[in-house]
Amino acid sequence: QSALTQPASVSGSPGQSITISCTGTSSDVGGYNYVSWYQQHPGKAPKLVIYGVSNRPSGVPDRLSGSKSGNTASLTISGLQAEDEADYYCSSYTSTYTVVFGGGTTLTVL
Amino acid sequence: QVQLVESGGGLVKPGGSLRLSCAASGFTFSDFYMTWIRQAQGKGLECISYISGRGDKIYYTDSVKGRFTISRDTAKNSLYLQMNSLRAEDTAVYSCAKEIYTGSGAAFDIWGQGTMVTVSS
Repeated sequence: QSALTQPASVSGSPGQSITISCTGTSSDVGGYNYVSWYQQHPGKAPKLVIYGVSNRPSGVPDRLSGSKSGNTASLTISGLQAEDEADYYCSSYTSTYTVVFGGGTTLTVL
Repeated sequence: QVQLVESGGGLVKPGGSLRLSCAASGFTFSDFYMTWIRQAQGKGLECISYISGRGDKIYYTDSVKGRFTISRDTAKNSLYLQMNSLRAEDTAVYSCAKEIYTGSGAAFDIWGQGTMVTVSS
């Protein structure tokens, strides 16, 4: 199972919006509404910020939103804040009953 | 408080063995699939193994099949990963993780802090 494709880096200024894409295949992203997104600060464990394509766990601000179209999922962060600077990983359930992750995207808040 | 705490990592020579443990608390351990995920330095995340709540469904990624064994002890609320025939490419931080709910499609809401495994001569 190949990793999902994410851009290596994105950046934005405080207050702006950014979108991180996550491209897979019909055997993972396109085949299931089981896309998750994780935020990881240096030296910390990943934190679940989106599950089931567009659901936010309790405590995650609504500035973060998820969507999917075909084989590509997206994470949008609006009203960028300094604390959003982190690595972001997408993941998807797959047709082989496992989970595949993206390579990760580093978000820089300018 | 829902928590996962790993232990058992360390430095081992190629071909050696290690047993990782993950102590769970704050939730009904037997109700959830549990997963081991690793992250090599500067690299992404990789799901290497999972086990169902009753222990009757197990998955291994191809690169660890035949070398690693996952298990769980409900009485001790603990998850284990026996790692044999270790290779340099197994060097990574190993974390255990719990799904947000069964059937969530592997959305992990609780992660341990990770334990470092270094395979080097």
